[in-house]
Amino acid sequence: EPEVTQTPSHQVTQMGQEVILRCVPISNHLYFYWYRQILGQKVEFLVSFYNNEISEKSEIFDDQFSVERPDGSNFTLKIRSTKLEDSAMYFCASRNSGGNSPLHFGNGTRLTVT
Amino acid sequence: GIQVEQSPPDLILQEGANSTLRCNFSDSVNNLQWFHQNPWGQLINLFYIPSGTKQNGRLSATTVATERYSLLYISSSQTTDSGVYFCAVGPTGTASKLTFGTGTRLQVTL
Repeated sequence: EPEVTQTPSHQVTQMGQEVILRCVPISNHLYFYWYRQILGQKVEFLVSFYNNEISEKSEIFDDQFSVERPDGSNFTLKIRSTKLEDSAMYFCASRNSGGNSPLHFGNGTRLTVT
Repeated sequence: GIQVEQSPPDLILQEGANSTLRCNFSDSVNNLQWFHQNPWGQLINLFYIPSGTKQNGRLSATTVATERYSLLYISSSQTTDSGVYFCAVGPTGTASKLTFGTGTRLQVTL
């Protein structure tokens, strides 16, 4: 069964550094998402992306964050200048159509900012 | 935005016991999914169930969309069922995101 793949599985970075988290959504999917989960808390929506533009973003997704689909397969999340509070698990998800279809999640990237 | 409440927040069971987890939501939805988060942090999709009833082995789920709740049943629980169970809902509308509940932490003991 096709799956969403995320790399790396774990990334450690120093405060102030830029990080790029990478995702390869399922190939025929059209809608892409990033979520994050701070340790011990619930999963929070960051941003959704469709037709090469952001369709919705949360208040968490400030100017430090950006997303890109640089080619036909990758979907990336960039954090420009990481803060300690950016430490979390970041999940990528995709779906193949609008509302009436499930989201498929990747295994996540655990980001640790020191 | 839509509110999602899950109960109970914590549950401890002995192996072999049955349990019911509940998810209440505040608005109409056209997407509802149940996930199991394993000890490695992975989100395992259990059910896509915006309405009706589905079964998969020892697990089953029922969503009553008109009354805005969903139930996840776990029968004959095993230690491998331990983890956090999340309900996530998407309101009516295209490209809608999922909003997650706060989860039910399940511990199954021998």
